[in-house]
Amino acid sequence: DIQLTQSPSSLSASVGDRITITCRASQTISIYLNWYQEKPGKAPKLLIYSATSLQSGVPSRFSGSGSGTHFTLTIDSLQPEDFATYYCQQSYSPPLTFGPGTKVDI
Amino acid sequence: QVQLQESGPGLVKPSETLSLTCSVSGDSISSFYWSWIRQPPGKGLEWIGFVYYTGSTDYNPSLKSRVTISVDTSKSQFSLRLSSVTAADTAVYYCARTTAGFFDFWAQGALVTVSS
Repeated sequence: DIQLTQSPSSLSASVGDRITITCRASQTISIYLNWYQEKPGKAPKLLIYSATSLQSGVPSRFSGSGSGTHFTLTIDSLQPEDFATYYCQQSYSPPLTFGPGTKVDI
Repeated sequence: QVQLQESGPGLVKPSETLSLTCSVSGDSISSFYWSWIRQPPGKGLEWIGFVYYTGSTDYNPSLKSRVTISVDTSKSQFSLRLSSVTAADTAVYYCARTTAGFFDFWAQGALVTVSS
């Protein structure tokens, strides 16, 4: 199985901050890396797919980069509704796996 | 816009079989893969497996011996059966549309508790 690690596991930030979350894969996965946002009591929401593609309807302050084993999710100008937990997920090969999550709070 | 809705018992006894159904509306169930994903309370996400509209499946090896996912295209539904459940199977279970290996539409989630 492909293992994903995320750093940091949690971070505190303020409205207007620029934050970056890192996801590393245990083997190369090309660009097959996706990012989700999860809020309490809600289903996860797809933000970024194939490392850099913004899902329809997602604000442009979210962006993704990377390839191979190292990926990042960046949120420019953090908004109040962005405080949530973020997960990466690899779609390179089954079993499809998720990272452990990064909680972003105030 | 695709919409998904889970249905099924919220309480299952240990050693019994967990059964959930996901109803798909707003788009054809054909031409996509459909996944089940779960999240134990306070923990991360785990992909259980997916089914293609043709009925072909792939499962997470960690659950493969206990999981069956099936599809009924006439009803626009797909289903999960997880046998021999224990307390460790207590989780929120999500169904989701799967496109090129990522999950672009999700249901709201169904909490299933395993307890006697």
